[in-house]
Amino acid sequence: GNSVTQMEGPVTLSEEAFLTINCTYTATGYPSLFWYVQYPGEGLQLLLKATKADDKGSNKGFEATYRKETTSFHLEKGSVQVSDSAVYFCALSDPGGGADGLTFGKGTHLIIQP
Amino acid sequence: SAVISQKPSRDICQRGTSLTIQCQVDSQVTMMFWYRQQPGQSLTLIATANQGSEATYESGFVIDKFPISRPNLTFSTLTVSNMSPEDSSIYLCSVRGGGRSYEQYFGPGTRLTVT
Repeated sequence: GNSVTQMEGPVTLSEEAFLTINCTYTATGYPSLFWYVQYPGEGLQLLLKATKADDKGSNKGFEATYRKETTSFHLEKGSVQVSDSAVYFCALSDPGGGADGLTFGKGTHLIIQP
Repeated sequence: SAVISQKPSRDICQRGTSLTIQCQVDSQVTMMFWYRQQPGQSLTLIATANQGSEATYESGFVIDKFPISRPNLTFSTLTVSNMSPEDSSIYLCSVRGGGRSYEQYFGPGTRLTVT
């Protein structure tokens, strides 16, 4: 079946530091890949997405590249801000593989200190 | 993206009782999804609800415990039956966006505490 593995948290960084959150996946079909973000006290929001190999998703300074050869979709940001503190979830969609819902990783709690 | 609302936003219930959660979407959608997020955990798909057919449940979830209704293309309900403290979670509904990527958009969630 499908699975998503992402680095455990919490991840604590200083403001303006470089961020990488690792995500790898296993899928039976040709999945689309996503990063979702959950800010404190708020709902789950789609941050970025990629639908095929070598696609790069980007939003709010965050980027992730769909790497089929390494089955990875690592989230990066060049300079984080305190407002980026949140829980980040890597997820995949694989309806061609028979899974209509999303498969989520366990989430990474990111803490940015001023 | 669709605008999704859920009711109630939170509730505290006694064990052995049932709670019905409502999900309303501002546009017609074929598929709606129900997820559970246990405290400090990730999201787990409970079931997929298509209008006009019975919901499809994921492994570990059964209709007797989590009955779902889907009376039209903009509305669904999830009932958590015969609750125990282990059912304390956030319950979220979601719908797919358009296009080929099959991303999903989520409601704000219902935070359930069972005492």
